[in-house]
Amino acid sequence: AQSVTQPDIHITVSEGASLELRCNYSYGATPYLFWYVQSPGQGLQLLLKYFSGDTLVQGIKGFEAEFKRSQSSFNLRKPSVHWSDAAEYFCAVGGAGNNRKLIWGLGTSLAVNP
Amino acid sequence: DGGITQSPKYLFRKEGQNVTLSCEQNLNHDAMYWYRQDPGQGLRLIYYSQIVNDFQKGDIAEGYSVSREKKESFPLTVTSAQKNPTAFYLCASSIGDSSGNTIYFGEGSWLTVV
Repeated sequence: AQSVTQPDIHITVSEGASLELRCNYSYGATPYLFWYVQSPGQGLQLLLKYFSGDTLVQGIKGFEAEFKRSQSSFNLRKPSVHWSDAAEYFCAVGGAGNNRKLIWGLGTSLAVNP
Repeated sequence: DGGITQSPKYLFRKEGQNVTLSCEQNLNHDAMYWYRQDPGQGLRLIYYSQIVNDFQKGDIAEGYSVSREKKESFPLTVTSAQKNPTAFYLCASSIGDSSGNTIYFGEGSWLTVV
């Protein structure tokens, strides 16, 4: 079955510390992978996406993610977290098909301690 | 500024009443989507539309209805048949429904049944 797993429901880090949010997927075809961020009570904003090519993808706000096919993972990283990064982060996977068929993870809530 | 506008931000409904959530986009996007978001359940697709005067059911369409009379507008009606309508509703759009097109989200509408 196709699925996306974000193993960490909630993560707390100190400001300035590094961050890694995990995303594992199960998908039968070549995946398109996405990370979105959602501030409380707001819509989602695309951080970055991977379709093909370089497996290390750079996104907005200093985030990057690495696609590892052998591990079926697409983990999101940031070297130094800012207080404004506190939000909910969603991983999603799709194929060379339609947006309406995107499979969404349940999200990871990030808290940042000052 | 270009974007997706959802209104109202907060809405209270009495049981047995229908309510309509507005979604307007000025991005000139063909594809539009409605998602429901509940705590711990991620995003679930209610309806989508790839073109004016056409729309299709998503994964949880029961108790909801939509229309797409104009390219920029995709209102969602939550009917009295929806047994558990209290949720956060997100409208989204993309240039086309292909997975290669970024999905842009509105800021959401909170619906509470009282």
